[in-house]
Amino acid sequence: QLVLTQSPSASASLGASVKLTCTLSSGHSSYAIAWHQQQPEKGPRYLMKLNSDGSHSKGDGIPDRFSGSSSGAERYLTISSLQSEDEADYYCQTWGTGIHRVFGGGTKLTVL
Amino acid sequence: EVQLVESGGGLVQPGRSLRLSCAASGFTFDDYAMHWVRQAPGKGLEWVSGISWNSGSIGYADSVKGRFTISRDNAKNSLYLQMNSLRAEDTALYYCAKDRSWPDEYYFDYWGQGTLVTVSS
Repeated sequence: QLVLTQSPSASASLGASVKLTCTLSSGHSSYAIAWHQQQPEKGPRYLMKLNSDGSHSKGDGIPDRFSGSSSGAERYLTISSLQSEDEADYYCQTWGTGIHRVFGGGTKLTVL
Repeated sequence: EVQLVESGGGLVQPGRSLRLSCAASGFTFDDYAMHWVRQAPGKGLEWVSGISWNSGSIGYADSVKGRFTISRDNAKNSLYLQMNSLRAEDTALYYCAKDRSWPDEYYFDYWGQGTLVTVSS
Protein backbone atom coordinates (compact mmCIF):
# COMPACT_ATOMS: atom_id res chain seq x y z
CA GLN A 1 0.00 0.00 0.00
CA LEU A 2 1.28 3.42 -1.00
CA VAL A 3 1.74 5.52 2.13
CA LEU A 4 3.61 8.75 2.85
CA THR A 5 4.94 9.40 6.37
CA GLN A 6 5.83 12.83 7.74
CA SER A 7 6.88 14.00 11.17
CA PRO A 8 4.04 16.01 12.75
CA SER A 9 6.14 19.00 13.68
CA ALA A 10 9.44 20.78 13.13
CA SER A 11 10.95 24.04 14.27
CA ALA A 12 13.88 26.25 13.36
CA SER A 13 15.04 29.79 14.02
CA LEU A 14 14.46 32.81 11.85
CA GLY A 15 17.21 32.98 9.24
CA ALA A 16 18.27 29.36 9.73
CA SER A 17 17.60 26.34 7.52
CA VAL A 18 15.28 23.39 8.05
CA LYS A 19 14.93 20.05 6.30
CA LEU A 20 11.53 18.34 6.27
CA THR A 21 11.20 14.65 5.47
CA CYS A 22 8.59 12.59 3.65
CA THR A 23 9.10 8.82 3.61
CA LEU A 24 7.60 6.53 0.98
CA SER A 25 6.32 3.13 2.03
CA SER A 26 8.21 -0.07 1.29
CA GLY A 27 8.31 -0.94 -2.38
CA HIS A 28 7.69 2.60 -3.52
CA SER A 29 11.12 4.17 -3.16
CA SER A 30 11.28 5.14 -6.85
CA TYR A 31 8.14 7.29 -6.71
CA ALA A 32 8.16 11.01 -7.29
CA ILE A 33 6.26 13.28 -4.94
CA ALA A 34 5.06 16.85 -4.76
CA TRP A 35 5.41 19.28 -1.86
CA HIS A 36 2.62 21.68 -0.93
CA GLN A 37 2.60 24.54 1.55
CA GLN A 38 -0.43 25.68 3.55
CA GLN A 39 -0.01 28.93 5.44
CA PRO A 40 -2.40 29.61 8.33
CA GLU A 41 -5.99 30.21 7.23
CA LYS A 42 -5.08 29.81 3.55
CA GLY A 43 -5.56 27.19 0.89
CA PRO A 44 -2.65 24.94 -0.07
CA ARG A 45 -0.06 26.05 -2.62
CA TYR A 46 2.04 23.80 -4.84
CA LEU A 47 5.77 24.17 -4.16
CA MET A 48 7.59 21.59 -6.25
CA LYS A 49 7.70 18.15 -7.80
CA LEU A 50 10.58 16.03 -6.52
CA ASN A 51 11.93 12.98 -8.33
CA SER A 52 13.71 9.98 -6.84
CA ASP A 53 17.05 11.23 -8.20
CA GLY A 54 16.63 14.54 -6.39
CA SER A 55 15.83 16.59 -9.45
CA HIS A 56 12.95 18.93 -8.89
CA SER A 57 10.81 21.51 -10.61
CA LYS A 58 9.21 24.33 -8.70
CA GLY A 59 5.94 26.09 -9.14
CA ASP A 60 5.64 29.65 -10.37
CA GLY A 61 7.02 32.23 -7.98
CA ILE A 62 8.50 29.79 -5.48
CA PRO A 63 11.65 31.37 -4.02
CA ASP A 64 15.09 29.87 -4.47
CA ARG A 65 15.17 29.34 -0.69
CA PHE A 66 13.02 26.25 -1.27
CA SER A 67 14.80 23.18 -2.60
CA GLY A 68 14.31 19.43 -2.71
CA SER A 69 16.48 16.34 -2.50
CA SER A 70 16.05 12.56 -2.27
CA SER A 71 17.75 9.57 -0.71
CA GLY A 72 16.26 6.12 -1.11
CA ALA A 73 12.66 6.29 0.04
CA GLU A 74 13.13 9.68 1.66
CA ARG A 75 12.11 12.91 0.03
CA TYR A 76 13.28 16.16 1.55
CA LEU A 77 12.19 19.78 1.46
CA THR A 78 14.85 22.22 2.57
CA ILE A 79 13.99 25.80 3.37
CA SER A 80 16.95 28.11 3.85
CA SER A 81 17.09 31.63 5.28
CA LEU A 82 13.81 30.99 7.10
CA GLN A 83 11.33 33.82 7.14
CA SER A 84 8.29 34.30 9.31
CA GLU A 85 5.97 33.59 6.38
CA ASP A 86 7.47 30.13 6.05
CA GLU A 87 5.64 29.14 9.20
CA ALA A 88 3.08 26.80 7.72
CA ASP A 89 1.99 23.21 7.27
CA TYR A 90 3.86 21.26 4.62
CA TYR A 91 2.35 18.24 2.88
CA CYS A 92 3.87 15.71 0.56
CA GLN A 93 1.66 14.08 -2.06
CA THR A 94 2.11 11.30 -4.55
CA TRP A 95 0.27 9.17 -7.05
CA GLY A 96 0.04 5.54 -8.07
CA THR A 97 -1.74 4.15 -11.07
CA GLY A 98 -5.09 5.61 -11.93
CA ILE A 99 -6.83 8.63 -10.52
CA HIS A 100 -6.19 8.08 -6.82
CA ARG A 101 -3.85 10.48 -4.98
CA VAL A 102 -2.14 10.16 -1.60
CA PHE A 103 -1.12 12.73 1.02
CA GLY A 104 1.27 12.52 3.90
CA GLY A 105 -0.02 13.58 7.29
CA GLY A 106 1.69 16.96 7.08
CA THR A 107 4.43 18.69 9.08
CA LYS A 108 3.71 21.83 11.05
CA LEU A 109 6.74 24.12 10.80
CA THR A 110 7.29 26.68 13.54
CA VAL A 111 9.72 29.54 12.93
CA LEU A 112 11.24 30.59 16.26
CA GLU B 1 -4.22 33.24 -14.41
CA VAL B 2 -5.63 29.95 -13.18
CA GLN B 3 -8.61 30.38 -10.89
CA LEU B 4 -10.64 27.74 -9.08
CA VAL B 5 -13.67 28.99 -7.19
CA GLU B 6 -15.66 26.59 -5.04
CA SER B 7 -19.23 27.14 -3.94
CA GLY B 8 -22.17 25.27 -2.47
CA GLY B 9 -20.95 24.64 1.06
CA GLY B 10 -23.06 25.25 4.13
CA LEU B 11 -24.68 23.77 7.20
CA VAL B 12 -26.59 20.54 6.58
CA GLN B 13 -28.19 17.94 8.81
CA PRO B 14 -26.83 14.39 9.01
CA GLY B 15 -28.28 12.17 6.32
CA ARG B 16 -29.04 15.05 3.96
CA SER B 17 -27.37 15.98 0.68
CA LEU B 18 -25.29 18.85 -0.66
CA ARG B 19 -23.78 19.63 -4.07
CA LEU B 20 -20.49 21.45 -4.37
CA SER B 21 -19.36 23.27 -7.51
CA CYS B 22 -16.00 24.48 -8.72
CA ALA B 23 -15.77 27.10 -11.47
CA ALA B 24 -12.47 26.95 -13.35
CA SER B 25 -10.83 29.56 -15.52
CA GLY B 26 -7.43 30.50 -16.93
CA PHE B 27 -6.63 27.12 -18.48
CA THR B 28 -8.08 24.63 -20.94
CA PHE B 29 -10.34 22.82 -18.51
CA ASP B 30 -11.02 19.75 -20.62
CA ASP B 31 -7.31 18.95 -20.91
CA TYR B 32 -6.90 18.14 -17.22
CA ALA B 33 -8.07 15.80 -14.51
CA MET B 34 -9.64 17.48 -11.50
CA HIS B 35 -10.00 16.53 -7.85
CA TRP B 36 -11.73 17.28 -4.58
CA VAL B 37 -9.59 17.38 -1.43
CA ARG B 38 -10.93 18.04 2.06
CA GLN B 39 -9.54 19.18 5.38
CA ALA B 40 -11.41 18.50 8.60
CA PRO B 41 -10.98 21.11 11.34
CA GLY B 42 -7.45 20.90 12.73
CA LYS B 43 -6.56 17.95 10.51
CA GLY B 44 -4.49 17.29 7.41
CA LEU B 45 -5.40 17.12 3.75
CA GLU B 46 -7.43 14.12 2.55
CA TRP B 47 -7.95 13.25 -1.12
CA VAL B 48 -11.68 12.72 -1.65
CA SER B 49 -12.27 12.10 -5.34
CA GLY B 50 -10.81 12.60 -8.79
CA ILE B 51 -12.04 12.59 -12.38
CA SER B 52 -10.10 12.39 -15.63
CA TRP B 53 -10.43 14.96 -18.40
CA ASN B 54 -13.13 13.00 -20.22
CA SER B 55 -14.80 11.48 -17.12
CA GLY B 56 -13.51 8.09 -18.26
CA SER B 57 -11.61 7.50 -15.03
CA ILE B 58 -13.19 8.28 -11.68
CA GLY B 59 -12.07 7.38 -8.18
CA TYR B 60 -13.10 7.88 -4.57
CA ALA B 61 -11.59 7.57 -1.15
CA ASP B 62 -12.97 4.62 0.79
CA SER B 63 -14.45 7.06 3.32
CA VAL B 64 -16.87 8.50 0.73
CA LYS B 65 -17.34 5.66 -1.77
CA GLY B 66 -21.00 4.96 -2.41
CA ARG B 67 -22.11 8.30 -0.95
CA PHE B 68 -20.31 10.94 -3.05
CA THR B 69 -20.38 11.37 -6.83
CA ILE B 70 -17.91 13.49 -8.78
CA SER B 71 -18.76 14.89 -12.20
CA ARG B 72 -17.70 17.59 -14.58
CA ASP B 73 -19.18 19.69 -17.36
CA ASN B 74 -16.41 20.63 -19.77
CA ALA B 75 -18.69 22.98 -21.68
CA LYS B 76 -19.19 24.98 -18.50
CA ASN B 77 -15.63 24.62 -17.17
CA SER B 78 -17.10 23.24 -13.98
CA LEU B 79 -16.45 20.44 -11.51
CA TYR B 80 -19.05 19.08 -9.12
CA LEU B 81 -19.31 16.90 -6.03
CA GLN B 82 -22.70 15.46 -5.11
CA MET B 83 -22.59 14.49 -1.45
CA ASN B 84 -25.35 12.23 -0.13
CA SER B 85 -25.98 10.60 3.25
CA LEU B 86 -23.75 13.17 4.91
CA ARG B 87 -22.18 12.36 8.26
CA ALA B 88 -20.65 14.50 10.98
CA GLU B 89 -17.23 13.25 9.94
CA ASP B 90 -17.72 14.81 6.49
CA THR B 91 -17.46 18.24 8.13
CA ALA B 92 -14.51 19.89 6.42
CA LEU B 93 -13.24 22.58 4.11
CA TYR B 94 -13.52 21.17 0.60
CA TYR B 95 -10.94 22.23 -1.97
CA CYS B 96 -11.08 21.91 -5.72
CA ALA B 97 -7.66 21.10 -7.20
CA LYS B 98 -6.31 20.94 -10.74
CA ASP B 99 -4.18 17.96 -11.69
CA ARG B 100 -0.97 18.52 -13.64
CA SER B 101 -2.03 15.55 -15.77
CA TRP B 102 1.35 14.93 -17.36
CA PRO B 103 3.23 11.61 -17.55
CA ASP B 104 4.67 10.96 -14.06
CA GLU B 105 3.41 14.34 -12.98
CA TYR B 106 0.07 13.69 -11.36
CA TYR B 107 0.16 16.29 -8.66
CA PHE B 108 -2.07 19.23 -7.79
CA ASP B 109 -0.59 22.35 -9.35
CA TYR B 110 -3.42 24.75 -8.52
CA TRP B 111 -5.88 24.91 -5.65
CA GLY B 112 -9.04 26.80 -4.87
CA GLN B 113 -9.73 28.58 -1.59
CA GLY B 114 -12.24 26.02 -0.40
CA THR B 115 -15.88 25.86 0.63
CA LEU B 116 -16.90 24.85 4.13
CA VAL B 117 -19.29 21.98 4.72
CA THR B 118 -20.66 21.54 8.24
CA VAL B 119 -22.77 18.49 9.01
CA SER B 120 -24.67 18.94 12.24
CA SER B 121 -28.16 18.66 13.63
